[in-house]
Amino acid sequence: GESVGLHLPTLSVQEGDNSIINCAYSNSASDYFIWYKQESGKGPQFIIDIRSNMDKRQGQRVTVLLNKTVKHLSLQIAATQPGDSAVYFCAESGGGSYIPTFGRGTSLIVHP
Amino acid sequence: KAGVTQTPRYLIKTRGQQVTLSCSPISGHRSVSWYQQTPGQGLQFLFEYFSETQRNKGNFPGRFSGRQFSNSRSEMNVSTLELGDSALYLCASSSGTGVESYTFGSGTRLTVV
Repeated sequence: GESVGLHLPTLSVQEGDNSIINCAYSNSASDYFIWYKQESGKGPQFIIDIRSNMDKRQGQRVTVLLNKTVKHLSLQIAATQPGDSAVYFCAESGGGSYIPTFGRGTSLIVHP
Repeated sequence: KAGVTQTPRYLIKTRGQQVTLSCSPISGHRSVSWYQQTPGQGLQFLFEYFSETQRNKGNFPGRFSGRQFSNSRSEMNVSTLELGDSALYLCASSSGTGVESYTFGSGTRLTVV
């Protein structure tokens, strides 16, 4: 799969590939991070979260990696499917504020 | 359990008018947050209500206001609409007791003409 940062808003992959979506967060005091998926016409939907005392967390076909040293978060999707096509947002919160701040989003397009 | 319900789904208003949007959170959730989503600015935080009180506020002009009722349902109001207010307005529900994920509604698509 191809990795992109938020400065490249679109990631295009083939069905079955692994996808990696990256996010650079801004607040070094943030201690809770979430990835959301937003499909067309719907609100953002929770995918997976991670707290700052961890550097990796796995879900079903998804893995989130956290690198606090460089303030970087990534979402890995294994065996990407057409149904994974959506916009993916990272969000950070904590450090005195529980209001999440959202990244700009990355559009994932999966080609059958 | 029922999700977050936002009404209406779509609205078309004229510049200068006002609009009221409604959000019913998940049962038992006491916090409702509102976000404005536009292609250029992404998800921008408007305000958060908890137990009928505005607890946090983003950087939006006073034309944007809200309230929360005793059953946790929330409304947001935008007065003197401007073309730039055209956006998807999202409501998010949470317990409000700490750092946690949000459950979002499907949003209200507001178009100002």
